[in-house]
Amino acid sequence: DAGVTQSPTHLIKTRGQHVTLRCSPISGHKSVSWYQQVLGQGPQFIFQYYEKEERGRGNFPDRFSARQFPNYSSELNVNALLLGDSALYLCASSLEFGGGGPQYFGPGTRLTVL
Amino acid sequence: AQSVTQPDIHITVSEGASLELRCNYSYGATPYLFWYVQSPGQGLQLLLKYFSGDTLVQGIKGFEAEFKRSQSSFNLRKPSVHWSDAAEYFCAVGPLPTGGGNKLTFGTGTQLKVEL
Repeated sequence: DAGVTQSPTHLIKTRGQHVTLRCSPISGHKSVSWYQQVLGQGPQFIFQYYEKEERGRGNFPDRFSARQFPNYSSELNVNALLLGDSALYLCASSLEFGGGGPQYFGPGTRLTVL
Repeated sequence: AQSVTQPDIHITVSEGASLELRCNYSYGATPYLFWYVQSPGQGLQLLLKYFSGDTLVQGIKGFEAEFKRSQSSFNLRKPSVHWSDAAEYFCAVGPLPTGGGNKLTFGTGTQLKVEL
């Protein structure tokens, strides 16, 4: 079975632009979470979606938004990009919501904001 | 708020030597605990997890971790390191078993270098 897939692999944007990142979870997994990993730090939780509803949100501004589709894939949108948004964006899927189920991560999308 | 501390930013070991990576967490109770590994240019791979029960947990690639409640620690160990183990290792804390969601709180990571 395929793991978590993310697209694109790399992306270069300029300040003020908008970006959309995409994620496909492992087949059968209903939950998708997004994390931001700035160079030299651990990943920071942005969102969790389960059954197309937002079920958790980290300490990120409203410029960050996401949604989950009926096939459980997900998009992360970031508006009005800032230099500080440059990071590796990781998507993780889990089978269910809660219960300690482990999360399986995709390879990430490297976003560079110039 | 829960937090995770990985006190060692960089560790260098010789191939074949033993390894211990430290992790301490701050939480009101015992949460779910995880260790992930990240190789350059790749996502995070789950090594092992602790939910409850036996405090010594076995994972993939010959890794194990020991949960010590009294010390709020969950240290990762490997008896003999291979050159391919060079990577960055992250300790993570999940929600309480009574809580909801799957949000992970990560430490800042430990970069492991293996000398041949």
